[in-house]
Amino acid sequence: EAQVTQNPRYLITVTGKKLTVTCSQNMNHEYMSWYRQDPGLGLRQIYYSMNVEVTDKGDVPEGYKVSRKEKRNFPLILESPSPNQTSLYFCASSQLRESSYNSPLHFGNGTRLTVT
Amino acid sequence: AQSVTQPDIHITVSEGASLELRCNYSYGATPYLFWYVQSPGQGLQLLLKYFSGDTLVQGIKGFEAEFKRSQSSFNLRKPSVHWSDAAEYFCAVMPNTGFQKLVFGTGTRLLVSP
Repeated sequence: EAQVTQNPRYLITVTGKKLTVTCSQNMNHEYMSWYRQDPGLGLRQIYYSMNVEVTDKGDVPEGYKVSRKEKRNFPLILESPSPNQTSLYFCASSQLRESSYNSPLHFGNGTRLTVT
Repeated sequence: AQSVTQPDIHITVSEGASLELRCNYSYGATPYLFWYVQSPGQGLQLLLKYFSGDTLVQGIKGFEAEFKRSQSSFNLRKPSVHWSDAAEYFCAVMPNTGFQKLVFGTGTRLLVSP
């Protein structure tokens, strides 16, 4: 089954304790992205990647890091989490070939992070 | 910068009644337009998309949307709402440069009353 898998689904941590949220897709997609969802703000892009070893900042990258060492994986790293990073996080992926605009953005089921 | 406005934070509709969710965008050229639905505890699922051509597009689950260039709008409609349609709906726009610039609206939560 084609899917984007995020882990964990729920995470409670304390300020300053490094954490990683994993994201894996099995569709051989070139494009992957991380979003955070906050009430009244919709989804805002954190980072995205066009292919292996190619990453770029989205609209709200501060406090986050990403890596794309393999095509299927795109982990989100919070080196020193702070309470303002408490949010619902989504990973998404898509094709980027010529016909890609007919291809939807596939989303994972989300990771709810609480930083105390 | 491109932006998307969904003016209604919440909408309540009776089951069986018609539905229209509003979406307005601000962008220099006609972007690609999407509607996504998010059920509780789930990720976002694509309902429909507009790239070009016929301005009335059909999607899954009986939804449709109409692109109106003069109003910079892409409103989502359904003629008869079912209780299972209760969810949050997001409009999104993307320039023809690709998904890296996909911008979402703030969402509209749909409540369906019996």
